Amino acid sequence: AQTVTQSQPEMSVQEAETVTLSCTYDTSESDYYLFWYKQPPSRQMILVIRQEAYKQQNATENRFSVNFQKAAKSFSLKISDSQLGDAAMYFCAYRRRAGGTSYGKLTFGQGTILTVHP
Amino acid sequence: DTEVTQTPKHLVMGMTNKKSLKCEQHMGHRAMYWYKQKAKKPPELMFVYSYEKLSINESVPSRFSPECPNSSLLNLHLHALQPEDSALYLCASSQGGGHGNYGYTFGSGTRLTVV
Repeated sequence: AQTVTQSQPEMSVQEAETVTLSCTYDTSESDYYLFWYKQPPSRQMILVIRQEAYKQQNATENRFSVNFQKAAKSFSLKISDSQLGDAAMYFCAYRRRAGGTSYGKLTFGQGTILTVHP
Repeated sequence: DTEVTQTPKHLVMGMTNKKSLKCEQHMGHRAMYWYKQKAKKPPELMFVYSYEKLSINESVPSRFSPECPNSSLLNLHLHALQPEDSALYLCASSQGGGHGNYGYTFGSGTRLTVV
């Protein structure tokens, strides 16, 4: 079974600074997808960034980037120029590539609460 | 339309009541999901519908009954719930088949309180 671990229950950052959230995962699959989701107090889960395991290049979306280390099974999220609106709970998630009956399942980490100080 | 719409946003029900949660999307997604989320915890998968057929049931108690009347609509029927079933219920959708790289689109959830 796949597992996703976020070892930082809480993190804080000053506005305009950079913060990195950690995520490790365990899988025997070679082809899969990784995601970071943000869940603000408004409750909606918002997709921040995604990475396909077969792609060596790290994904980037504006101020958000990942450091994907496939051999180490590590997938960290870097937020640059942090803004007050970035405050939320962040979940790392794994999904195997299609096939079988479990293709639809997202496996989430325990989450990291990010606080942004003005 | 790039949204998943869930109604109602809040629901309070007694343990003997019957109620339903509704989820709707018009993105042409062929997979739809129900998740249960407790405070400060990750979402837990309950059901997956793929092309309007139940694909995954994560051993959910029978007091939760899902229904997918068509490709745009997903319901969750609730009956004889317990106070520990109080949680945020999230609906999500995604492209079906092998399009896993696009992730899910989530609704904003229904906050359920069982009294």
